[in-house]
Amino acid sequence: DQQVKQNSPSLSVQEGRISILNCDYTNSMFDYFLWYKKYPAEGPTFLISISSIKDKNEDGRFTVFLNKSAKHLSLHIVPSQPGDSAVYFCAASARREGAQKLVFGQGTRLTINP
Amino acid sequence: GAVVSQHPSRVICKSGTSVKIECRSLDFQATTMFWYRQFPKQSLMLMATSNEGSKATYEQGVEKDKFLINHASLTLSTLTVTSAHPEDSSFYICSAIQRSGTKLFFGSGTQLSVL
Repeated sequence: DQQVKQNSPSLSVQEGRISILNCDYTNSMFDYFLWYKKYPAEGPTFLISISSIKDKNEDGRFTVFLNKSAKHLSLHIVPSQPGDSAVYFCAASARREGAQKLVFGQGTRLTINP
Repeated sequence: GAVVSQHPSRVICKSGTSVKIECRSLDFQATTMFWYRQFPKQSLMLMATSNEGSKATYEQGVEKDKFLINHASLTLSTLTVTSAHPEDSSFYICSAIQRSGTKLFFGSGTQLSVL
């Protein structure tokens, strides 16, 4: 039972354009969401997070949007840069179970074309 | 930023042998470490939560006698895959959280191949 789903295994975007990565979840108990970025041969690194009390969180070029009614979140990267090419994982947690107990999506491989 | 070191990065072993994977927090004390497994094209799946000085808590479906976890110090947790089978071949990755922190820091992962 995949509680967090990233339905696009890959995404290709032109440099300078907006990259939009999507994530859906099924568990209504999730109240904290995170995005991680992973380069080959490295562990995931934290990118940005959002609590369920918000619908948007912005950090520089990265913005995460949360639509609780649709159980959907998205990560926007604008403008996209070649260094953004990586695998992006969406993760969710239910704080009552411990905020660090994360459920991950399958990941989306983002390729930024020069 | 905080660094988590995981070794080895890649290991190939024969079926029936045991393999130990180490996860170290290099510049902070990690009261809790997590172990994940990722099969190709699938999610990172949490296997167990390891708390320093106590027994690990395993997720449903994970055999605790097969995947031995030891968290003997605040900077080291080990995962031992005992009597490895080809179906144990996977990518294993650890993460750690600081004593007073909320963010997870991940190791670089270990690709295990069982022949």
